[in-house]
Amino acid sequence: GAGVSQSPRYKVAKRGQDVALRCDPISGHVSLFWYQQALGQGPEFLTYFQNEAQLDKSGLPSDRFFAERPEGSVSTLKIQRTQQEDSAVYLCASSPGTSLGLGEQYFGPGTRLTVT
Amino acid sequence: AQKVTQAQTEISVVEKEDVTLDCVYETRDTTYYLFWYKQPPSGELVFLIRRNSFDEQNEISGRYSWNFQKSTSSFNFTITASQVVDSAVYFCALSEANTGTASKLTFGTGTRLQVTL
Repeated sequence: GAGVSQSPRYKVAKRGQDVALRCDPISGHVSLFWYQQALGQGPEFLTYFQNEAQLDKSGLPSDRFFAERPEGSVSTLKIQRTQQEDSAVYLCASSPGTSLGLGEQYFGPGTRLTVT
Repeated sequence: AQKVTQAQTEISVVEKEDVTLDCVYETRDTTYYLFWYKQPPSGELVFLIRRNSFDEQNEISGRYSWNFQKSTSSFNFTITASQVVDSAVYFCALSEANTGTASKLTFGTGTRLQVTL
């Protein structure tokens, strides 16, 4: 698989449940981003990792959102006590983080989360 | 703060027509990157182009062309002789040009393009 993969592709959660969304970036990519895309809107930045370090989490909407990338590869976005307003598509993107690939991000297919 | 505005919510054209998607941006950075992404119904964002703020040359790639005007803070995208397969949502995006590693993208709200026969 050459691209970014995400799982699950679809997730339905009851309000109050915890969910975990997984992202497998392109092998060797240093940078990893999470975005949230509400229906009919553009993606909005949530958080950014450089290898295993979370360098920017300014976009996380509340302390119910938590992300990790412990070994600098796979990342997990966890949402605790889900609310209806958390319903969205969660996109993961990775970037080589080199000067040649500066700023160019490759996106996964997303996880569509529906909170009922 | 950075901001990207795509005023056209939805555009509908007949196949073979030319269509231009508008993008206006705001940033205080002197160095930045501009992007266009395509999001087909499958949902995956597909990278189309990246433009450095220092490079104002227009670019053409097949039926696609981009017009970067720093003086008006615009980065418009034209599809020539549109095809049904061009139907998608198109996003314009902006990022800082940090040295070292990638920077987060600020997206517009997107323009939905519908191309019909």
